[in-house]
Amino acid sequence: GQQVMQIPQYQHVQEGEDFTTYCNSSTTLSNIQWYKQRPGGHPVFLIQLVKSGEVKKQKRLTFQFGEAKKNSSLHITATQTTDVGTYFCAGPGLQYIFGTGTRLKVLA
Amino acid sequence: DTAVSQTPKYLVTQMGNDKSIKCEQNLGHDTMYWYKQDSKKFLKIMFSYNNKELIINETVPNRFSPKSPDKAHLNLHINSLELGDSAVYFCASSQRMDVQPQHFGDGTRLSIL
Repeated sequence: GQQVMQIPQYQHVQEGEDFTTYCNSSTTLSNIQWYKQRPGGHPVFLIQLVKSGEVKKQKRLTFQFGEAKKNSSLHITATQTTDVGTYFCAGPGLQYIFGTGTRLKVLA
Repeated sequence: DTAVSQTPKYLVTQMGNDKSIKCEQNLGHDTMYWYKQDSKKFLKIMFSYNNKELIINETVPNRFSPKSPDKAHLNLHINSLELGDSAVYFCASSQRMDVQPQHFGDGTRLSIL
């Protein structure tokens, strides 16, 4: 069945450093979504990417959808302690598969 | 106003008991979901309902029975709770079934003793 893997599983960075998480799907996706879950919180929808090669920005966050629409990345520039949490990608199938998540810790 | 609300927030109970979790959304969305998040943070879909109709039923034990009295409510009843049921259960909703889950509830943290 369809699988969505994310790497890395964990990432610790010093505040101010950049961070990137990668999402890889075993099948071509019509679109992809990114979510953020703070510790103890619930997933919060961040963005959806639809077009091949699409790049979208939200302040310090840059989201990219691969040309083949099988992978995506989320890059955070100059991380802050408020960026702490788990970042999930999700791809549509019958069941909106969530990626395995990347847990980000930011050290002050 | 909370968009997706689920109760209770915490549930601590003994093995073998039966318990229910309730979920309500005030967004007018057609589709509601139940997700299970385990200790490793993996989010897995359990059920999806569209306008009160069951759409997705993943490989979930029969002990789990969802019920949707109307499109704003999706409840989850669990019979004969087992240790492996300990997890956080999230309710979510989306405008339509072909749209990603847009709003999640705060989660119900279920602990089985």
